Amino acid sequence: GAGVSQSPRYKVAKRGQDVALRCDPISGHVSLFWYQQALGQGPEFLTYFQNEAQLDKSGLPSDRFFAERPEGSVSTLKIQRTQQEDSAVYLCASSLVIGHSYNEQFFGPGTRLTVL
Amino acid sequence: AQKITQTQPGMFVQEKEAVTLDCTYDTSDPSYGLFWYKQPSSGEMIFLIYQGSYDQQNATEGRYSLNFQKARKSANLVISASQLGDSAMYFCAMRYSSASKIIFGSGTRLSIRP
Repeated sequence: GAGVSQSPRYKVAKRGQDVALRCDPISGHVSLFWYQQALGQGPEFLTYFQNEAQLDKSGLPSDRFFAERPEGSVSTLKIQRTQQEDSAVYLCASSLVIGHSYNEQFFGPGTRLTVL
Repeated sequence: AQKITQTQPGMFVQEKEAVTLDCTYDTSDPSYGLFWYKQPSSGEMIFLIYQGSYDQQNATEGRYSLNFQKARKSANLVISASQLGDSAMYFCAMRYSSASKIIFGSGTRLSIRP
């Protein structure tokens, strides 16, 4: 595809349910990022992959959050036992190269998660 | 600590006027990059402009320019001849060389009046 795609676009979960959010990065992009954006705020970093390796997961808020990218392309962000405070838009971004401060990240449309 | 500050929660501007969105940053890393993103109501983050810490000239991209004042640690976005389609949230962001992630400010909601 031409850009980063995410699915589903909208997800409603009951508190305590597990959810899985999918990200398809731009083909050939080495780096993949997940961000969480609460209503009215800027995105906050969750985790970063270089190919299949998860190099930084310092932003994951708790051990209920887990991300993987097993083949270095598609990534899944899983949230176990969802809580109301997990309600947010989850943005995925990918970039072609690494190792330079200029590294334009292309963002997907996001998945809006609402936990009831 | 690395930080981005946007002090204008919202702005109203008349169509065709120029507008400046403020951004200050804090980092001790000598190598960093500054970004501006636009986020319309559809939710997608759209890259607008980039400024590297070692770039000698201010970045420009069409109607967008970045007023980079390194000593003051400011990176204001200037939009010339604003259009109705410019109405959106605007985020200033920074990436420093020792990290991979981008950190974002809290954003400015820009509304263009016809």
